[in-house]
Amino acid sequence: EPEVTQTPSHQVTQMGQEVILRCVPISNHLYFYWYRQILGQKVEFLVSFYNNEISEKSEIFDDQFSVERPDGSNFTLKIRSTKLEDSAMYFCASRQGRQGDTEAFFGQGTRLTVV
Amino acid sequence: AQTVTQSQPEMSVQEAETVTLSCTYDTSESDYYLFWYKQPPSRQMILVIRQEAYKQQNATENRFSVNFQKAAKSFSLKISDSQLGDAAMYFCAYRNSLGGSEKLVFGKGTKLTVNP
Repeated sequence: EPEVTQTPSHQVTQMGQEVILRCVPISNHLYFYWYRQILGQKVEFLVSFYNNEISEKSEIFDDQFSVERPDGSNFTLKIRSTKLEDSAMYFCASRQGRQGDTEAFFGQGTRLTVV
Repeated sequence: AQTVTQSQPEMSVQEAETVTLSCTYDTSESDYYLFWYKQPPSRQMILVIRQEAYKQQNATENRFSVNFQKAAKSFSLKISDSQLGDAAMYFCAYRNSLGGSEKLVFGKGTKLTVNP
């Protein structure tokens, strides 16, 4: 069964460093998302991406964040200068987006620890 | 803005028994989707069940079923014949269906414990 894959599963980085989280969405999906979950809290929307551009972003997704689909398969989230409060689980999700489609499929997540 | 509320931070159930997890939501839209996601200790988000708001019939997936009350904006999840593997965090989520925001809005989750 097709699935969303994320790498790495766990990343530890020093405050102020740049990190890139990688995702390979399901191949025929058209909509891509990043969500984050701070430990013990609810899952929060960061950004959605469609047709090679951001379609929506949350207040959390400030200038320190960027997304890119550099080729036909990868979807990346970059955090330019990490802060302690960026420590969280980051989930990539994708959705087919065609008629009758409803649900988003999530990857297994990347645990980001900023020290 | 849409909101999702899960009023039960924790629930427990005996193995083989039935448990119901509550979820209410707020929206001014008439057409939307509702989901229940399961998050086991591995922290992966797994879709359990979905409901289209235009459908009156409640969705069912094996031991999982929902009670969708559109007028009351309520969307509860019933787990029958609970198994040890059902122990997880359960998140209720909402998404618009036509135009506007495509994002999922999640509740805070309910931690389900299954006792042997």
